[in-house]
Amino acid sequence: AQSVAQPEDQVNVAEGNPLTVKCTYSVSGNPYLFWYVQYPNRGLQFLLKYITGDNLVKGSYGFEAEFNKSQTSFHLKKPSALVSDSALYFCAVRDQQAGTALIFGKGTTLSVSS
Amino acid sequence: DAGVIQSPRHEVTEMGQEVTLRCKPISGHNSLFWYRQTMMRGLELLIYFNNNVPIDDSGMPEDRFSAKMPNASFSTLKIQPSEPRDSAVYFCASSLTGANTEAFFGQGTRLTVV
Repeated sequence: AQSVAQPEDQVNVAEGNPLTVKCTYSVSGNPYLFWYVQYPNRGLQFLLKYITGDNLVKGSYGFEAEFNKSQTSFHLKKPSALVSDSALYFCAVRDQQAGTALIFGKGTTLSVSS
Repeated sequence: DAGVIQSPRHEVTEMGQEVTLRCKPISGHNSLFWYRQTMMRGLELLIYFNNNVPIDDSGMPEDRFSAKMPNASFSTLKIQPSEPRDSAVYFCASSLTGANTEAFFGQGTRLTVV
């Protein structure tokens, strides 16, 4: 079975500071990994994904994520946070075996203060 | 493309009534997912279709829930009879076939059962 853990319910950072939102995963095979963002009263929006190749993946709005196979982690990062980055962030995993659905973590609320 | 379209956006119903949620996936996408979001349980996969065929319905809570996909452009999630604990936001998402493809989400249906 596949699962995702986001150990922090909330992350607080000051505008301009770097941010990290943590994610660890568990799959029986090799993973495909995704990050999504959700703004209030909206659906989830895709940010970035890791499929293969370079462990550092760049995505929308200046976000990036680093895949670490030995630590089974896929942490989301941004060098300089904006107040507008405040939202709910979800990590998701999909086993490379075809036929499995995206499984999401519980989400981490990011709050960026000015 | 208009994206994934869900209707209604909001539904308030009385306990015991039948509720039907509707979803139109992105044209050309052949995978469709129904998720439920609550504060307590986060984002849970209910059911996953591929080419209109249910692949994984292990997340469907109980027999009161049923989902259909009669064709590639339409899916329904039905709850009969509804209960207050079914109150949640229900999301539909679609993607191309392939575990490395991201899913695109609708705006969700906020269901309140009183």
